[in-house]
Amino acid sequence: EPEVTQTPSHQVTQMGQEVILRCVPISNHLYFYWYRQILGQKVEFLVSFYNNEISEKSEIFDDQFSVERPDGSNFTLKIRSTKLEDSAMYFCASSELGTLGANEQFFGPGTRLTVL
Amino acid sequence: RKEVEQDPGPFNVPEGATVAFNCTYSNSASQSFFWYRQDCRKEPKLLMSVYSSGNEDGRFTAQLNRASQYISLLIRDSKLSDSATYLCVVNKGVTGGGNKLTFGTGTQLKVEL
Repeated sequence: EPEVTQTPSHQVTQMGQEVILRCVPISNHLYFYWYRQILGQKVEFLVSFYNNEISEKSEIFDDQFSVERPDGSNFTLKIRSTKLEDSAMYFCASSELGTLGANEQFFGPGTRLTVL
Repeated sequence: RKEVEQDPGPFNVPEGATVAFNCTYSNSASQSFFWYRQDCRKEPKLLMSVYSSGNEDGRFTAQLNRASQYISLLIRDSKLSDSATYLCVVNKGVTGGGNKLTFGTGTQLKVEL
């Protein structure tokens, strides 16, 4: 069964450092997403991406964040200068279609980001 | 008012019991509705989509009431393996993209022997 994969599973970084979280969405999916979940809190939407551009982003997704699809398979989330409050589990998700039909989103196993 | 509201639980039930979870959502423009389950420190996994007519998948039944902005999930004959957090999720479904999911905080279920 096809699945979303993410690397690394755990990333530890110092405050102020840049991190890149990587995701390989399901191969025939066209929409890609990043969500985060701070420990003990709900899953929160960060950004959605379609046709090589951001289609929607949340207030959390400020100038410190960026996304990219550098090749035909990877989808990355970059945090330019990490803050302590960026510590969370980051989930990548993908869906075959967008708003109409087949819009179920499938999540990767997550990357746990710890900012020290 | 929270966008998606759920009773956090925990619901502690014996094996074989029937348990029901409820959820309300605030945005009447929401188009798609889902139940996900999340095991501790794992990713959300899609349990089922929720359709206006109600739908069933084995021991799981989901209902949607658009007028009341209310979603439910019924689990019959609960198993130990059903122990997890159940997430109510809605999607505003903005035409042209977006497809942002809004999650509730989840309802924790513990099924006991």
